[in-house]
Amino acid sequence: AQSVTQLGSHVSVSEGALVLLRCNYSSSVPPYLFWYVQYPNQGLQLLLKYTSAATLVKGINGFEAEFKKSETSFHLTKPSAHMSDAAEYFCAVSDPSGGGADGLTFGKGTHLIIQP
Amino acid sequence: GAGVSQSPRYKVAKRGQDVALRCDPISGHVSLFWYQQALGQGPEFLTYFQNEAQLDKSGLPSDRFFAERPEGSVSTLKIQRTQQEDSAVYLCASSSISSGGRNEQFFGPGTRLTVL
Repeated sequence: AQSVTQLGSHVSVSEGALVLLRCNYSSSVPPYLFWYVQYPNQGLQLLLKYTSAATLVKGINGFEAEFKKSETSFHLTKPSAHMSDAAEYFCAVSDPSGGGADGLTFGKGTHLIIQP
Repeated sequence: GAGVSQSPRYKVAKRGQDVALRCDPISGHVSLFWYQQALGQGPEFLTYFQNEAQLDKSGLPSDRFFAERPEGSVSTLKIQRTQQEDSAVYLCASSSISSGGRNEQFFGPGTRLTVL
C-alpha cells in the first residue's frame, strides 16, 4: 500500500522568501510522484511530476521538486514566494505497476500562506 | 479546448435522498477517475474507468455509491440514501492514455455535496 505524508498543514512565508513544502512517501515500488495546487473553489492543477527520469523536476510558476529515493522524499520548493502562490498544495503518488487502475494517493495537503 | 466539467457545482440534499453527480471529461480521454475530498483533507480515490469499463471500484465507501460510464465518455456518480458523512467535494479527473500512472490527471472543479 502507498501513503503520503505532508509535514505541516499550514506553512507561512514572507513574500520573496523561499518556499519549502515537504512530502514523504511510502511505497513498495519506486512510485510516480506529483504535486498539485488547488485554489479556492477550483479543481486541482498539476504543478509538476516525477516519472523516473531526471530526479530534479521543474514545474510551472517557478516551482521545482527533487526526488530523493534514499530519503523517500519529494519536497517542493520555489526560490521566491509571490502573493499569488497562496493556495493548498497536495503531494500524490501512483504505482507504476498499477496496470491502468492508476488512482492517485494524496497527502492531506499543506496550506501555503504568503505574508506581505 | 474545454477542460473537465462537473455538474452541479453545489448540491444540497436531505438525508435519505438520492443524488446524481455528472462528469464530462476532456474529449477523447480514455481514463476517468472519481475522488472524494472531505473538508480539510486530500482527495481519496473512489473508482476508475477505462473507456466504459469500471476497472477499479475499491474506493467506493459503501454499496450506496454507484458509478457508471455507459458510452465511455460522460460519467455519473450516484449516491443512494445519502448520509451526513457523505458531505464532501466530489472530484472527477480524466487522463489521455490508459496505463502506467505517469500521465497527468486533469481535474474538474468538483461538486460540493452537503447532506442535511
